[in-house]
Amino acid sequence: DTEVTQTPKHLVMGMTNKKSLKCEQHMGHRAMYWYKQKAKKPPELMFVYSYEKLSINESVPSRFSPECPNSSLLNLHLHALQPEDSALYLCASSQDSPSGSTDTQYFGPGTRLTVL
Amino acid sequence: SQELEQSPQSLIVQEGKNLTINCTSSKTLYGLYWYKQKYGEGLIFLMMLQKGGEEKSHEKITAKLDEKKQQSSLHITASQPSHAGIYLCGAVSNQAGTALIFGKGTTLSVSS
Repeated sequence: DTEVTQTPKHLVMGMTNKKSLKCEQHMGHRAMYWYKQKAKKPPELMFVYSYEKLSINESVPSRFSPECPNSSLLNLHLHALQPEDSALYLCASSQDSPSGSTDTQYFGPGTRLTVL
Repeated sequence: SQELEQSPQSLIVQEGKNLTINCTSSKTLYGLYWYKQKYGEGLIFLMMLQKGGEEKSHEKITAKLDEKKQQSSLHITASQPSHAGIYLCGAVSNQAGTALIFGKGTTLSVSS
């Protein structure tokens, strides 16, 4: 089973709202990722968690707040977003073995976020 | 920073025809991944190549890695409408393999 699940599938929020995106995997992977994908562009890395600790933050604005409550779950808390933050948010996970370059990242179906 | 250049940007082929998509890296490749994406959906893993000269196949899709040229190619034989979508090559951005960078993608349409 190589399934990564994401909820919700679609989300519409106002600029003053607070919402959360959720990601879950049961493959025993210890690395989890958030990517942002704008229309007709490739995914861009936002955050990497390794063994439940934040290891990479690609200079993402503080209105995006990641959280990894356990090895299977990854959340992305959203607050005071801007319309330009509207995008497809993709979660991924991988083994995070010592030779990381051979680890395959498996992606979820994404959450389509629209900020009004 | 490392960049991946994909060509062509888009491709329209007749059902049954063969096609090739290329991915060229500006730096040494430690691992090269091919994914397929339907518009607005998640990425589906196709294949991963690591060693120079490596070639992998899955059904009618074959991918090769030429490490010297820092290039990979994805070849589809006898294309079908189910092959339509966006093909993305991705590479680990450093030897630690902590994150992927992607090419801009190749949009494939297959006409019946």
